[in-house]
Amino acid sequence: AQTVTQSQPEMSVQEAETVTLSCTYDTSESDYYLFWYKQPPSRQMILVIRQEAYKQQNATENRFSVNFQKAAKSFSLKISDSQLGDAAMYFCAYKGGSEKLVFGKGTKLTVNP
Amino acid sequence: GAGVSQSPSNKVTEKGKDVELRCDPISGHTALYWYRQSLGQGLEFLIYFQGNSAPDKSGLPSDRFSAERTGGSVSTLTIQRTQQEDSAVYLCASSLSSGRANIQYFGAGTRLSVL
Repeated sequence: AQTVTQSQPEMSVQEAETVTLSCTYDTSESDYYLFWYKQPPSRQMILVIRQEAYKQQNATENRFSVNFQKAAKSFSLKISDSQLGDAAMYFCAYKGGSEKLVFGKGTKLTVNP
Repeated sequence: GAGVSQSPSNKVTEKGKDVELRCDPISGHTALYWYRQSLGQGLEFLIYFQGNSAPDKSGLPSDRFSAERTGGSVSTLTIQRTQQEDSAVYLCASSLSSGRANIQYFGAGTRLSVL
């Protein structure tokens, strides 16, 4: 079975600074997608970024980028120029041949003004 | 509506009562998913629908849990004889179709509290 591990229960960053959230996963599949979702206090999970395993180029969405290391099974999220609105729970998720998303336990990000 | 809609937003019930949670997916989305988010277990998959069929029910924790989807649209998750350990946020998601690449869009969830 696939597993996703987020080793940082909590992280904090100063406004305008850069922070990196870690995620590792375990799978025997070769074709899969990885996702970062953000969950603010409103509870609604919002997709931040996704990465296809077959693409070597790291995905980027504005201030959000990933460092995808397939051999190491690592998928970290970098947030640049952090804003107060970035404060939320961040979940790393895996989707392979099964339809379900497999989530990590999450990282609570605090942004300090 | 523009997004996934779930109702009620919050539900408080007494132990032993039955509850129904509703999910209205994004229009045109054929795939629908239920997840449970609890403090102890994190986010867990419950069930997946493609159209009105449920090819994967592997995450339903007991036979007290059931779900249906009608008209390829609205889905209802029913929990019978609720227990305190059922207290959690129940999240619904939908996607345009099934498959690895398809993005799941989530609703704001129903927070269930069993007293």
